[in-house]
Amino acid sequence: KQEVTQIPAALSVPEGENLVLNCSFTDSAIYNLQWFRQDPGKGLTSLLLIQSSQREQTSGRLNASLDKSSGRSTLYIAASQPGDSATYLCAVGRAGGGNKLTFGTGTQLKVEL
Amino acid sequence: GAVVSQHPSWVICKSGTSVKIECRSLDFQATTMFWYRQFPKQSLMLMATSNEGSKATYEQGVEKDKFLINHASLTLSTLTVTSAHPEDSSFYICSASIDYDEQFFGPGTRLTVL
Repeated sequence: KQEVTQIPAALSVPEGENLVLNCSFTDSAIYNLQWFRQDPGKGLTSLLLIQSSQREQTSGRLNASLDKSSGRSTLYIAASQPGDSATYLCAVGRAGGGNKLTFGTGTQLKVEL
Repeated sequence: GAVVSQHPSWVICKSGTSVKIECRSLDFQATTMFWYRQFPKQSLMLMATSNEGSKATYEQGVEKDKFLINHASLTLSTLTVTSAHPEDSSFYICSASIDYDEQFFGPGTRLTVL
């Protein structure tokens, strides 16, 4: 059974700092990996999708990497802003399982002025 | 593009009643829709997967007679919580995908059972 863990569970940084969020998974047979953002009481906003054959994806100030063999992904946020404050979730899609997603525990990020 | 809506956004009901939640893909035809549940300060847990015109596949531990899923068209799936009880209070989120590719998520429905 796939297990997805995110470290740290919570993070508070000053505005402008670069930061890294970590995601690890136990089964390397994945279809893809997605990073999402969730604001309190809201649904999910997809940030980046990495296919199993890819090693990284970039969008604006965000960069996500994937190392399937070690079961790890990182989300790098450059020049953080207060508007980046949210919970960040990574989710792993099962290979051969209809891309069912297993979600991580989330990292609650607060960017302070 | 790839917008998914849910209705209602929140609902309060009495214990023992049934509640229906709709999930619609607004600008694409979704061959597969997924239903998730999220308890406070916890992550999303997949409840079931539904394909248009066929029975839903439920995850282990999810009661299919309690959570009825209907996927009647390529743009609409419904989740009915039957005989709801306070422990069913949760945030329910659906997603939709084309041929098991990237999932696009709805805004969620907050269910409170009194």
